[in-house]
Amino acid sequence: DVKVTQSSRYLVKRTGEKVFLECVQDMDHENMFWYRQDPGLGLRLIYFSYDVKMKEKGDIPEGYSVSREKKERFSLILESASTNQTSMYLCASKPSSGNTIYFGEGSWLTVV
Amino acid sequence: QKEVEQDPGPLSVPEGAIVSLNCTYSNSAFQYFMWYRQYSRKGPELLMYTYSSGNKEDGRFTAQVDKSSKYISLFIRDSQPSDSATYLCATNLDSNYQLIWGAGTKLIIKP
Repeated sequence: DVKVTQSSRYLVKRTGEKVFLECVQDMDHENMFWYRQDPGLGLRLIYFSYDVKMKEKGDIPEGYSVSREKKERFSLILESASTNQTSMYLCASKPSSGNTIYFGEGSWLTVV
Repeated sequence: QKEVEQDPGPLSVPEGAIVSLNCTYSNSAFQYFMWYRQYSRKGPELLMYTYSSGNKEDGRFTAQVDKSSKYISLFIRDSQPSDSATYLCATNLDSNYQLIWGAGTKLIIKP
């Protein structure tokens, strides 16, 4: 079974703090994604990566950056957390040849 | 207009009922259609996957695509309380393109 692991499930951070969300996948997938999910807005793509050290902006990249130093690991960074970044963050991975995307369990971030 | 429209619900039905969940999409070029199920405080998981028009059945679940009307449906027969979740539809042109997501419909099955 494909496993996408998000190490932090629940976080509470203060405004202005730097936040790291880590994600690891164990299926050697080329593509990895970070989404945020808010009630009524569905899934919105923040960034994605199709290869090591490669990254592409999604629909809402402002206030976020990403890092992919190894194929299995994709990190989301909030340089200076703000209250409007309180949300559920979902990491996902997908092989380059398929359409099925596999999600992690999600990270609930509250910024106070 | 959003590329994929989905009623957020909640949709509440009694146990044993047939459930119909629906999405409409705007781009007639979309080829691949997926339904994901998301339990509370969990990540979405793939439930059904179809290519182009037609029906696909898997146990109590049937996915239907009508490309002429740009309408996709998920039917759940003999619904169970364990089916209570949010159901998200998604579509894209092919594997080289990003998935376009509906907002998700929250389904509640009452015992």
